[in-house]
Amino acid sequence: DVVMTQSPEFLAVSLGERATINCKSSQSLLYTSINKNYLAWYQQKPGQPPKLLIYWASTRESGVPDRFSGSGSGTDFTLTINSLLAEDVALYYCQQYYTTPWTFGQGTKVDI
Amino acid sequence: QVQLQESGPGLVKPSQTLSLTCSVSGGSINSTNSYWSWIRQPPGKGPEWIGYIFYSGYTNYNPSLKSRITISLDSSKNQFSLKLSSVTAADTAVYFCARGAVPAANHWFDPWGQGTLVTVSS
Repeated sequence: DVVMTQSPEFLAVSLGERATINCKSSQSLLYTSINKNYLAWYQQKPGQPPKLLIYWASTRESGVPDRFSGSGSGTDFTLTINSLLAEDVALYYCQQYYTTPWTFGQGTKVDI
Repeated sequence: QVQLQESGPGLVKPSQTLSLTCSVSGGSINSTNSYWSWIRQPPGKGPEWIGYIFYSGYTNYNPSLKSRITISLDSSKNQFSLKLSSVTAADTAVYFCARGAVPAANHWFDPWGQGTLVTVSS
């Protein structure tokens, strides 16, 4: 299985500041023939299902605010939340869909 | 807009079979190239993909659970189901159903159901 390791596990950021979450995969998620990274990011608030934020490592889902951005390639990826708002307090997960079984990171909790 | 809703018992005894159903509305479960997954999330942990069923009935299961799971489609009811046998306390989790966001074998998940908590306890 592809192991997804997120860091840090917990992140406290001041309102209006930047939050940076890292996700490392145990094997490359880059499909070289099409130059796409098979990685998605989700946000999860208590009592809710995960909400899709980013796919193909850097493509923002429709309706997701542009303060959320994804970057990285191969085995190292980053989710950045610029100008953090109180509503961004949540758990964040990365997920690889390069090969089954699809696997998720253990999560990063973002708080104020 | 496709919506999914899980249903099933919230309490299952050890060694018994967990059975859940996902009802799909706003779209057909038979949509060409659609993938329908079950995902679970133990308390305080990250999600774990259980398996998917393709609209044609083809299934792909997580090897860690493969010997115990069956995912099936009921087109007449626009539903798909999960059966997990020989459950233990380690199977206690919130169970989600979700659709593959794109009609491709390699996919992320969107939308998700709200999830249902299943507790394994005597």
